[in-house]
Amino acid sequence: KAGVTQTPRYLIKTRGQQVTLSCSPISGHRSVSWYQQTPGQGLQFLFEYFSETQRNKGNFPGRFSGRQFSNSRSEMNVSTLELGDSALYLCASRLDNDYGYTFGSGTRLTVV
Amino acid sequence: AQSVTQLDSQVPVFEEAPVELRCNYSSSVSVYLFWYVQYPNQGLQLLLKYLSGSTLVKSINGFEAEFNKSQTSFHLRKPSVHISDTAEYFCAVSSPTGGYQKVTFGTGTKLQVIP
Repeated sequence: KAGVTQTPRYLIKTRGQQVTLSCSPISGHRSVSWYQQTPGQGLQFLFEYFSETQRNKGNFPGRFSGRQFSNSRSEMNVSTLELGDSALYLCASRLDNDYGYTFGSGTRLTVV
Repeated sequence: AQSVTQLDSQVPVFEEAPVELRCNYSSSVSVYLFWYVQYPNQGLQLLLKYLSGSTLVKSINGFEAEFNKSQTSFHLRKPSVHISDTAEYFCAVSSPTGGYQKVTFGTGTKLQVIP
């Protein structure tokens, strides 16, 4: 079956702009989580969605937001981009009764 | 609150030598434990997991990890590494929180296999 698909793979944005990243989970997976990965901070949890509801959120400013649709696809949005938002953004899905994640390949965001 | 500690940020090892990547966790409740591997420019892949039962779990590519409850550890081992094992390895712990499983990742250990 198809894996977790993230689009786009690469993105270059200018400071102050906003960006939307997309994630299509494995079919049947209702839980979708987002992580930010940087060399300095490592993997940092952004949020998790389950059945269109956000059930956990990390310590990120309100500029970071997300949502999940009825087909479990998820989007995350970052407004007023800052240079420090440059990172690899990873999406992961899992079955609610299976505790391992399947990760997508990520979206590499560069803010200039 | 739960936490995961991977003390070694980088581990260099010669090809065909054994390796151990250390992982310690802290949690006040029962946990599930995972190891993930990340190759350059890719997402993380689940390597192996411990949910219950036998404390020794194995992956298909020769890695194994042992859950030690008394030492709160879940170290990853391989008796003989290959160049292709060069990657970053993440330990993760999952425990029930508010009706669902909350996952916490360690900071990762970069395994560098030297020819």
